Amino acid sequence: AQKVTQAQTEISVVEKEDVTLDCVYETRDTTYYLFWYKQPPSGELVFLIRRNSFDEQNEISGRYSWNFQKSTSSFNFTITASQVVDSAVYFCALNTGFQKLVFGTGTRLLVSP
Amino acid sequence: EAGVAQSPRYKIIEKRQSVAFWCNPISGHATLYWYQQILGQGPKLLIQFQNNGVVDDSQLPKDRFSAERLKGVDSTLKIQPAKLEDSAVYLCASSFPGLSYEQYFGPGTRLTVT
Repeated sequence: AQKVTQAQTEISVVEKEDVTLDCVYETRDTTYYLFWYKQPPSGELVFLIRRNSFDEQNEISGRYSWNFQKSTSSFNFTITASQVVDSAVYFCALNTGFQKLVFGTGTRLLVSP
Repeated sequence: EAGVAQSPRYKIIEKRQSVAFWCNPISGHATLYWYQQILGQGPKLLIQFQNNGVVDDSQLPKDRFSAERLKGVDSTLKIQPAKLEDSAVYLCASSFPGLSYEQYFGPGTRLTVT
């Protein structure tokens, strides 16, 4: 069975702090894709990144970076120098066969000025 | 490029009433999904269409929920009769076929059942 665990329910930081959101996944499939989505207060889920199971290279996009480690089944997300606009709920998701996307329970990030 | 459209944005009904939600996916996206997101939880897939055929409806409560995508473009999700526990946000998403493609989500319909 596929499962995604986001153990951090809510994180509060002050602007300009760095913050890491944890994601641990479970699957027996060898081919799979991992995703991060952002859900701002407006409610719409916004795609941030996709990573396939054969590519463990870390990725950086501006203030965002992602660390994928198959050895620990983790796909963590770091925001550097956080800003108030980063306040949202962040979801990690796993997609294996048949395109069924399984989401974690989300981490609510609150960035205060 | 236009995103995924959904309507209505909000709906309040009494239990045992019926309700329908509409979704228009991004042009060219053959795959369409309906998710249910209960407050404080991640979205849960209800049904997935590939063109106008159902790929996965294993988590759809078929005694009360139904969905269709007759012409392979827009889709309707219906609940009849509604229960209190159906209160949630119903999200529609679309993508190109294939598990590597990201799904694009609409703004959702917030349903409150009283």
